[in-house]
Amino acid sequence: DTAVSQTPKYLVTQMGNDKSIKCEQNLGHDTMYWYKQDSKKFLKIMFSYNNKELIINETVPNRFSPKSPDKAHLNLHINSLELGDSAVYFCASSQDRWVAKNIQYFGAGTRLSVL
Amino acid sequence: DQQVKQNSPSLSVQEGRISILNCDYTNSMFDYFLWYKKYPAEGPTFLISISSIKDKNEDGRFTVFLNKSAKHLSLHIVPSQPGDSAVYFCAVGSSNTGKLIFGQGTTLQVKP
Repeated sequence: DTAVSQTPKYLVTQMGNDKSIKCEQNLGHDTMYWYKQDSKKFLKIMFSYNNKELIINETVPNRFSPKSPDKAHLNLHINSLELGDSAVYFCASSQDRWVAKNIQYFGAGTRLSVL
Repeated sequence: DQQVKQNSPSLSVQEGRISILNCDYTNSMFDYFLWYKKYPAEGPTFLISISSIKDKNEDGRFTVFLNKSAKHLSLHIVPSQPGDSAVYFCAVGSSNTGKLIFGQGTTLQVKP
């Protein structure tokens, strides 16, 4: 039973399309995250939600909109996809929002390819 | 402007020998440091952590060393095993924020 699951695993789409990636955690955690791993392999935080409240919002284009319907789910919607959005997107969760002593558990990633 | 750097993209060691992975950071405000391991087609998994009040933390074959004056973090794996072959990410954070900053990873290959 996967702790943090994200779907789809692979997503191939055309420029200009709108797509969503879903994430669910069954760990009972309060905090969820979206990371982007770009071509240079850095894992960069995009957003974080704590109990459905947005707490981290990095410099991400407005085309990216996270939505947390409840604390177990954090979905990522991307409008007007661009070539530069091609990356692997990871969802993660942790017991609470503070980094100290709070292990982040990651999903397996969604590889997005924009053609 | 990368605040966390892992300058070795890859490392190859023989089974049974020591693996040493390095990480440098720029901001002295960081006070919590972690290592994650990632296998292909999986997400990163937590390996070991250390807070700034310590300079060493050990967990079985894995030891993390922190040199605050040099802003340098290292992970030692002794003895290395083929199953340790993976990408290792260091991550740093401040205990009063919810944000971790990751390095770009080092691919470790342990040869039998």
